[in-house]
Amino acid sequence: AQKVTQAQTEISVVEKEDVTLDCVYETRDTTYYLFWYKQPPSGELVFLIRRNSFDEQNEISGRYSWNFQKSTSSFNFTITASQVVDSAVYFCALTAFGSARQLTFGSGTQLTVLP
Amino acid sequence: DGGITQSPKYLFRKEGQNVTLSCEQNLNHDAMYWYRQDPGQGLRLIYYSQIVNDFQKGDIAEGYSVSREKKESFPLTVTSAQKNPTAFYLCASSIAVAGGSYNEQFFGPGTRLTVL
Repeated sequence: AQKVTQAQTEISVVEKEDVTLDCVYETRDTTYYLFWYKQPPSGELVFLIRRNSFDEQNEISGRYSWNFQKSTSSFNFTITASQVVDSAVYFCALTAFGSARQLTFGSGTQLTVLP
Repeated sequence: DGGITQSPKYLFRKEGQNVTLSCEQNLNHDAMYWYRQDPGQGLRLIYYSQIVNDFQKGDIAEGYSVSREKKESFPLTVTSAQKNPTAFYLCASSIAVAGGSYNEQFFGPGTRLTVL
């Protein structure tokens, strides 16, 4: 069985603040993939990043960065200098080869960036 | 432009009626998926298909049915057996899973189904 926990249900920040969204996962497989998706108010999920279990390098893409730590089973997402357009629900997801490659989603974190 | 289309965007249904949600993709993806999203919750997998004429149940398949007669299309029927069908339904597709890799899924805009 696999599980993804996003303990932060809602976060509010003021524009230009940095914010970190937490993601903790559980899986018995040694080979797995982690994802982050953004769901704006329109409803469509937008893919942000994919990371496999053998690559623990942190990644930066513009104002977005991801911190993958296998030791704590976490894959946290940081937005630097947040903007109002970052307001959305963010989902962390996991798939592992022992799960028939099904994607398991966390319950999501609603981020609100106030002007 | 390549992408995934879902129709209709909003759908209303009377209790006891079957209804079919459309999902079409022109990304040439082999795999397609249907998810259900309830307020404040993550996505749950209903059905998925890795290849034409083949599909598998996900975690919450009861009360739903699908078909995969064409690579581009993966319609979902919500039957009267589904006890609580009001939800947001998302269709997704991906390059076929193969070997040691797993590719990201791309999502359509969703259909919001309301049972009256």
